Amino acid sequence: QVQLVESGGGVVQPGRSLRLSCAASGFTFSNYGMHWVRQAPGKGLEWVAVIWYDGSNKYYADSVKGRFTISRDNSKSTLYLQMNSLRAEDTAVYYCARDKWFGELLYFDYWGQGTLVTVSS
Amino acid sequence: QLVLTQSPSASASLGASVKLTCTLSSGHSSYAIAWHQQQPERGPRYLMRLNSDGSHSKGDGIPDRFSGSSSGAERYLTISSLQSEDEADYYCQTWGTGIHVFGTGTKVTVL
Repeated sequence: QVQLVESGGGVVQPGRSLRLSCAASGFTFSNYGMHWVRQAPGKGLEWVAVIWYDGSNKYYADSVKGRFTISRDNSKSTLYLQMNSLRAEDTAVYYCARDKWFGELLYFDYWGQGTLVTVSS
Repeated sequence: QLVLTQSPSASASLGASVKLTCTLSSGHSSYAIAWHQQQPERGPRYLMRLNSDGSHSKGDGIPDRFSGSSSGAERYLTISSLQSEDEADYYCQTWGTGIHVFGTGTKVTVL
């Protein structure tokens, strides 16, 4: 079955960097666009970034543009999120999610369990 | 601007039904959405995609107790025969021209 397992979270000081990973299994990873979505403590879901199935296009939320970089290694079925210049407001659980198209709707049909990033001095 | 509006909370008794609403902003009433469930301390889980005509398609293993319907700009999620494990946050989600939008979520309490 489809599995997405995030790792790499932890406590980091403001201004430092962290790299998250999402290991995928149970499907042909190279056929799907992949996303990062985050959730600050006690808050709702916020989309962060997307990378197309072949890595040819990447898009970011304004809140992370220029600081975060999404990438993937299709040979390893792994998604990454490089987070630089971290701020306190980046504190959140980070989820990876697989996307699927239906007509004009792009939605998330599988989610990981999340990894917690805490930015604090 | 594409916005999804949800009530903050809903409650119903064990075994009863509850109907959640997600309202699309003006000019976007034809959009399809997806519903996601997030149980406490867990990652979200895809429930179903829901079209403007009310047709819907559920995710793998989603019980028949979950159903969707639509009316105008409103998208509904109905949970019948409410179980204790249905106590969770429910989010609607859509997409429009590169913009990914989530509703603010509805917390369902099972009494």
